Amino acid sequence: GQQLNQSPQSMFIQEGEDVSMNCTSSSIFNTWLWYKQDPGEGPVLLIALYKAGELTSNGRLTAQFGITRKDSFLNISASIPSDVGIYFCAGGIQGAQKLVFGQGTRLTINP
Amino acid sequence: GAVVSQHPSWVICKSGTSVKIECRSLDFQATTMFWYRQFPKQSLMLMATSNEGSKATYEQGVEKDKFLINHASLTLSTLTVTSAHPEDSSFYICSVGGAGLYFGPGTRLTVT
Repeated sequence: GQQLNQSPQSMFIQEGEDVSMNCTSSSIFNTWLWYKQDPGEGPVLLIALYKAGELTSNGRLTAQFGITRKDSFLNISASIPSDVGIYFCAGGIQGAQKLVFGQGTRLTINP
Repeated sequence: GAVVSQHPSWVICKSGTSVKIECRSLDFQATTMFWYRQFPKQSLMLMATSNEGSKATYEQGVEKDKFLINHASLTLSTLTVTSAHPEDSSFYICSVGGAGLYFGPGTRLTVT
């Protein structure tokens, strides 16, 4: 089936640093979404991308939908303690209805 | 975005019993809802698509007779784990479609 390769699996950074993570796939997706999940909670949508090449920002977060539709990246600028958590990319099939998730990137921030 | 609730937030049951989990879309009429399962330190895996007024569609490898889904209204879908076993212990999360995809807070199931 379709799979997403998300990297890195974990990141340990200092507060204030910028963060970059990405997802790649051998399959084409029609949408790319990025989520953040805190322990014991459901994922929260951060950014949704619907067009190849689209670059979208949400505050300190920026994400892009790759031109080939097989990849996406998420950048977080000037990290703060509340950015700690697990970030998941997801590729959408059937529009944004059915999602295939990446393995997640666990972000840890040292104050 | 859509507001989605789940009940209960956590449940402990004995092996062999059945457990029902509710997913409610509070501000969005959803003809389709999705059920995911997440094992500890793993990613989310789609289990099934819940269709209002018709049968659910299950992903490959998910037993439809074990995970019963009912989508009786535009705001409520239920997942019943029948004859639960310890290996069914997991975090079950529902989601509602739209311009993106919005998730409920999840239900932690522990089968002893």
